[in-house]
Amino acid sequence: DAGVIQSPRHEVTEMGQEVTLRCKPISGHDYLFWYRQTMMRGLELLIYFNNNVPIDDSGMPEDRFSAKMPNASFSTLKIQPSEPRDSAVYFCASSLVPDTQYFGPGTRLTVL
Amino acid sequence: GESVGLHLPTLSVQEGDNSIINCAYSNSASDYFIWYKQESGKGPQFIIDIRSNMDKRQGQRVTVLLNKTVKHLSLQIAATQPGDSAVYFCAGKGGTSYGKLTFGQGTILTVHP
Repeated sequence: DAGVIQSPRHEVTEMGQEVTLRCKPISGHDYLFWYRQTMMRGLELLIYFNNNVPIDDSGMPEDRFSAKMPNASFSTLKIQPSEPRDSAVYFCASSLVPDTQYFGPGTRLTVL
Repeated sequence: GESVGLHLPTLSVQEGDNSIINCAYSNSASDYFIWYKQESGKGPQFIIDIRSNMDKRQGQRVTVLLNKTVKHLSLQIAATQPGDSAVYFCAGKGGTSYGKLTFGQGTILTVHP
């Protein structure tokens, strides 16, 4: 199995631009999680899906962030408009049961 | 300039030594715990997990101990190797926080050859 796949691995953009991060979970996993990792706050859960349905989005910072899961093999996290404080590493994780989560390699986002 | 951010605990060991990384949790309702290893530039990698009905679980070179009385979790790595150098996170799930893991800040393990 290829594991969780994320793209792009690195993204550099200017403030105000739209950013879209992509994730392909492990085949057969029913749960998908989006996390953000920064030096200041550590690893934070943003949102998670079960069977493509958003279950808990209480960690999404504000309305500029949105996440979708149109099918079992694809999810996106969008930031519009992006701001410098959004700079972080964004991880996607998936799991067969909600506990044991397997992480992707992450997308390092830099907003100038 | 001044460095601002999480100040992670650090552990330095010699190659071949055993390492013990500790983690305390506060939610007495936590029923599942997991240890992750994160190498520089990579995502957290699953190491081992344990449920609250157990107090010990062993994997390959790793052992997790759970003490529910004092709400403490530890990860023991036997015969530590330079490749074990990474940040180690513990995470837990409370009984009602379905699907949501709460992560600790992490411990930096450095293994010297």
